[in-house]
Amino acid sequence: SQKIEQNSEALNIQEGKTATLTCNYTNYSPAYLQWYRQDPGRGPVFLLLIRENEKEKRKERLKVTFDTTLKQSLFHITASQPADSATYLCVAAEGGSYIPTFGRGTSLIVHP
Amino acid sequence: DSGVTQTPKHLITATGQRVTLRCSPRSGDLSVYWYQQSLDQGLQFLIQYYNGEERAKGNILERFSAQQFPDLHSELNLSSLELGDSALYFCASSPQGIVLSGANVLTFGAGSRLTVL
Repeated sequence: SQKIEQNSEALNIQEGKTATLTCNYTNYSPAYLQWYRQDPGRGPVFLLLIRENEKEKRKERLKVTFDTTLKQSLFHITASQPADSATYLCVAAEGGSYIPTFGRGTSLIVHP
Repeated sequence: DSGVTQTPKHLITATGQRVTLRCSPRSGDLSVYWYQQSLDQGLQFLIQYYNGEERAKGNILERFSAQQFPDLHSELNLSSLELGDSALYFCASSPQGIVLSGANVLTFGAGSRLTVL
């Protein structure tokens, strides 16, 4: 079956360091991947989208990569801040599919 | 404020009861998605509507139903409620129903927290 997997273990890092979150997919050929941020008790908020023909996308302190050979996307937050603490969700959809499928998310905790 | 409005924010009810959750999509968006998020669970896709018509169904129980009205707001009806139905229910909207070459970015509401006692 199609799966999107994110590390269920929380990622703890010190303020100022780069956080790297991983999203792996299996039995899937996503046309694009999206990353969302979710704070406790709130709805996810869209951050970045990367298409299968793009290797890397950047937005301010955020960077996402998409490796179709490894079937993996990496999400980086540079110069992390305590305000970046949240759960980050990877989302995929195959070409022609209009149903974004969410991973379970990885919790990021940035310590001051 | 994302522009997607969900009501009620919180709802406490008893097993066997029926509730209706309401969603108004962002202005201009034609597509509405419903997701369920239980404790420690990811977002589970329930159902999608586009411009009033059902477009896709996910893991939606037969006890649940939804519809999208001409003014594009949507309602999710949950009946014969069980303890396990306690969850956050999110509505999201997007401009398109199906996009072959692009991508559907979803705008989520704040969610409706349902507690079944």
